[in-house]
Amino acid sequence: QVLLVQSGAEVKKPGASVNISCKASGYSFTGYNLHWVRQAPGQGLEWMGWTGGTIYAQKFQGRVTMTRDTSISTAYMELSGLTSDDTAIYYCARDHRGYDGKQYYYGVDVWGQGTTVTVSS
Amino acid sequence: SSELTQDPAVSVALGQTVRITCQGDSLRSYYANWHQRKPGQAPVLVMYGPHKRPSGIPDRFSGSSSGNTASLTITGARAEDEGDYYCNSRDNTGNYYFFGTGTKVTVL
Repeated sequence: QVLLVQSGAEVKKPGASVNISCKASGYSFTGYNLHWVRQAPGQGLEWMGWTGGTIYAQKFQGRVTMTRDTSISTAYMELSGLTSDDTAIYYCARDHRGYDGKQYYYGVDVWGQGTTVTVSS
Repeated sequence: SSELTQDPAVSVALGQTVRITCQGDSLRSYYANWHQRKPGQAPVLVMYGPHKRPSGIPDRFSGSSSGNTASLTITGARAEDEGDYYCNSRDNTGNYYFFGTGTKVTVL
């Protein structure tokens, strides 16, 4: 069974950094990249970046770092300079891609359970 | 453009059929994936590529794609299908991924 298990909830003060972990099991960790996605209260899903070439959404460039430790099948996402706008549930998700003979699809398939980050003074 | 646009909300009577659409330029090149998110739960992939269902997803869910539009159809909607649905794909540079704006499905 493919599983992504994330670290627990965090409460941070404005200006601080948060580091969230995502431990993978049930598949070859090195064979797939991982994406990070967040959902702020009342908002939709927002893609933050992925470990494939370590590409980050422009909105988060300079503030986010995504890394992997293949020895323990764990990915990490660090977000710095937190503000109240960063209060959200953060998810890791496995890369998912394929080709049906006509066209490719790209996205994510398996999700972690989510990590709630609250930024408050 | 890298945006994926969805209708904010749709409602469907119990047992009836509802179609959710996702529009974006990148969908002319790549199929969308579809995710269902229920309150308090992580999202779940329900459709990809454009009409393939992951294991465990009931066959009342179906998908299609034409031009710049991807569609997810629920035939015979059930109460447990209520939730937010998001399409997901990537842009034409291959570097950036996006989620649609989301559609809230209400089963009446």
